[in-house]
Amino acid sequence: ETGVTQSPTHLIKTRGQQVTLRCSSQSGHNTVSWYQQALGQGPQFIFQYYREEENGRGNFPPRFSGLQFPNYSSELNVNALELDDSALYLCASRTGNYGYTFGSGTRLTVV
Amino acid sequence: KNEVEQSPQNLTAQEGEFITINCSYSVGISALHWLQQHPGGGIVSLFMLSSGKKKHGRLIATINIQEKHSSLHITASHPRDSAVYICAVRSAGNTPLVFGKGTRLSVIA
Repeated sequence: ETGVTQSPTHLIKTRGQQVTLRCSSQSGHNTVSWYQQALGQGPQFIFQYYREEENGRGNFPPRFSGLQFPNYSSELNVNALELDDSALYLCASRTGNYGYTFGSGTRLTVV
Repeated sequence: KNEVEQSPQNLTAQEGEFITINCSYSVGISALHWLQQHPGGGIVSLFMLSSGKKKHGRLIATINIQEKHSSLHITASHPRDSAVYICAVRSAGNTPLVFGKGTRLSVIA
């Protein structure tokens, strides 16, 4: 079951460019987290939003930023792309103490 | 230092075998998740545990809070079980998940 939709599914960008990745969560899921997963690694926490406010951030530079909207959608923006930003970007949402629902991810390739 | 350690990293099994994947964590948690990730990348949540044991079909997950350890078992394994299995934990409050690196399982017919 997946109530979380991510777009686009794949993306190729050039170093130095900017990118926006989108996530549409299930209605009522007021917490959304974004993760970066490099090849062969577990997902790494980028940041989390709760009711449109950032309430947690991992070890990522400020060029990684985000927004959460009242309609339970959210965005991850990455400026000044670097080759090492190539990864699968995952969005996960939840409400209360229920489990997370994950999207299928956006695979970003920076060339 | 990884707060969540999984073992083994890679596992190859014959169809029908009983499989166990282990997860150890070093922090106090409110919940532990077992997740399945197929080659396409999408993650499916299998279990969320805070104590005891849960079963769904051929999958069983157990957790020992005192020992900070959880196991995922697959009975009568099948090639369609081939995937990466990831353990993730969440501390109290609105904290994010912390993930293990995953266990890559291949089940051969």
